[in-house]
Amino acid sequence: AQSVTQLDSHVSVSEGTPVLLRCNYSSSYSPSLFWYVQHPNKGLQLLLKYTSAATLVKGINGFEAEFKKSETSFHLTKPSAHMSDAAEYFCVVSGMGYKLSFGAGTTVTVRA
Amino acid sequence: NAGVTQTPKFRILKIGQSMTLQCTQDMNHNYMYWYRQDPGMGLKLIYYSVGAGITDKGEVPNGYNVSRSTTEDFPLRLELAAPSQTSVYFCASSSGTGSNQPQHFGDGTRLSIL
Repeated sequence: AQSVTQLDSHVSVSEGTPVLLRCNYSSSYSPSLFWYVQHPNKGLQLLLKYTSAATLVKGINGFEAEFKKSETSFHLTKPSAHMSDAAEYFCVVSGMGYKLSFGAGTTVTVRA
Repeated sequence: NAGVTQTPKFRILKIGQSMTLQCTQDMNHNYMYWYRQDPGMGLKLIYYSVGAGITDKGEVPNGYNVSRSTTEDFPLRLELAAPSQTSVYFCASSSGTGSNQPQHFGDGTRLSIL
């Protein structure tokens, strides 16, 4: 069995300040982990993925995430938020096969 | 590069009506999926397919049917629409058999049942 908990339903940051989105997971297997972003009225776009290689994963648009097995966490960060980062973000875990488990999502608001 | 294309983008149905949500992908992916997204709930898997002619139920299949006659197309059918089926529906596809293959999503179909 596998599951994901996104610890914040909403995060608000000022433009130019760091962004931190927190994700904890549970999995019976060595998991693959993903972060997806969803802009309004759009589908989900892959930001980055962890697949048991380097624990620090770099993604698109300046985002990165760190896999910490001891803490069962996969937090997403960006050093400097941009207005275009306002969106909903989903942490996703994949175990055996192709089934994905999605977190409930974190809505990011960026203040000018 | 189109990727995953869903039609229609929006639809309003009356209770008891039926409709088919269309999904097509041009990436030659074997795996295709249908999800529904409800506010604050993430995405729930309705049905999936591992290749043409092969489909199986996901977490929330009741009230839906699918077929997969070609690699490209994976339509989702609602036979008797109910208000509980008001949601945003996403189709996705992926390649390979490993769990590390990311899924590619369409832009969604926003469906209201009144």
